[in-house]
Amino acid sequence: GDSVTQMQGQVTLSEDDFLFINCTYSTTWYPTLFWYVQYPGEGPQLLLKVTTANNKGISRGFEATYDKRTTSFHLQKASVQESDSAVYYCVLERAQGLTFGLGTRVSVFP
Amino acid sequence: EAAVTQSPRNKVAVTGGKVTLSCNQTNNHNNMYWYRQDTGHGLRLIHYSYGAGSTEKGDIPDGYKASRPSQENFSLILELATPSQTSVYFCASGVRTGGDEQYFGPGTRLTVL
Repeated sequence: GDSVTQMQGQVTLSEDDFLFINCTYSTTWYPTLFWYVQYPGEGPQLLLKVTTANNKGISRGFEATYDKRTTSFHLQKASVQESDSAVYYCVLERAQGLTFGLGTRVSVFP
Repeated sequence: EAAVTQSPRNKVAVTGGKVTLSCNQTNNHNNMYWYRQDTGHGLRLIHYSYGAGSTEKGDIPDGYKASRPSQENFSLILELATPSQTSVYFCASGVRTGGDEQYFGPGTRLTVL
């Protein structure tokens, strides 16, 4: 079935570091892909969305590019802040809802 | 103003007891969803609904029922709770299925003893 893979369970950074989170997906079609972010005590919220039409999404300083050739959808940010500490989920569209990756916990220290 | 609310926020239940988790949305979205979140599994879809009166099974429906009596309300029912159902449960709403944003509630932490 359709799936997404996030291999990094945890990433620890200092402020102003570069953030890169790997995500690969497996489907037999070209789905819409999302990154959701979850802050402590809250539900997940949409960070950015990328469709096959636009291939790249940018939001709040984060950027993700949809690469059909390598079936990858990595998330990156040039300079993280302490407020970016959260769990980031790579998410795949499907007919009956969303398929979530396992999540990557990002901790940013001043 | 929160558009998706859940109640209760925390619940402790006994094994074999009945548990009802409630969700209300003011987004006027047709679709609503129930997920559970567990370490090592991410979020997994339990049940979803296309509108009032409709419920559909998601990926892990065993041991759960759902009820959608109105556009705004969607409940998750555990008729005979088990310790394996200890988890954090999230409700979400969305305009349509597939490639559309879902709006999540704050979650309910359920502990079954």
